[in-house]
Amino acid sequence: GENVEQHPSTLSVQEGDSAVIKCTYSDSASNYFPWYKQELGKRPQLIIDIRSNVGEKKDQRIAVTLNKTAKHFSLHITETQPEDSAVYFCAAKGVRKTGRRALTFGSGTRLQVQP
Amino acid sequence: GAVVSQHPSWVICKSGTSVKIECRSLDFQATTMFWYRQFPKQSLMLMATSNEGSKATYEQGVEKDKFLINHASLTLSTLTVTSAHPEDSSFYICSARGEGTSGSNEQFFGPGTRLTVL
Repeated sequence: GENVEQHPSTLSVQEGDSAVIKCTYSDSASNYFPWYKQELGKRPQLIIDIRSNVGEKKDQRIAVTLNKTAKHFSLHITETQPEDSAVYFCAAKGVRKTGRRALTFGSGTRLQVQP
Repeated sequence: GAVVSQHPSWVICKSGTSVKIECRSLDFQATTMFWYRQFPKQSLMLMATSNEGSKATYEQGVEKDKFLINHASLTLSTLTVTSAHPEDSSFYICSARGEGTSGSNEQFFGPGTRLTVL
């Protein structure tokens, strides 16, 4: 089954700086890698995703890179703002122990942007 | 589009009672729904996957007799926590994927249900 590791667990940056969160996955057959932002007590919100046939994707201040060979993908947030403070989860869509393809989530990164 | 609702948003119950949580896709047909559990400051752990009209597939370690899942229609799935105990207290979140959504990969999450068992 798929195993996703995420680092760091906490990240504190100054407003305006960049933030980078990294994830690795184990299932080479995984083909979809979304990133979610979750605020306390709320649902995860998809902020960006990337498919295995693409190496990089950008949406304004957010970008994701994927290295299939190394089986890792990263989230990059530039010009961080206090409202970016939240918990970020990476996920990978791979084959689980049940044989079904479902999302496996990383352990989460608590990002704090200091004003 | 692609809105998923969940009800109730929070529930407090006594130990030993059963609690039913509903997950609805409001503007699309959800061929597949997923149920997750999230303990405080932890990640989302998949509990089970349900496809409309068939039995749910449970993840290893999740008791199917304790967490009953029904996906009777393309817009509704329910999770019943039977004989709830304090250790079942958690944030339960459903997500849905299906026809009419933007791509077959994206999952749309409900707002979650916070269950507290006294």
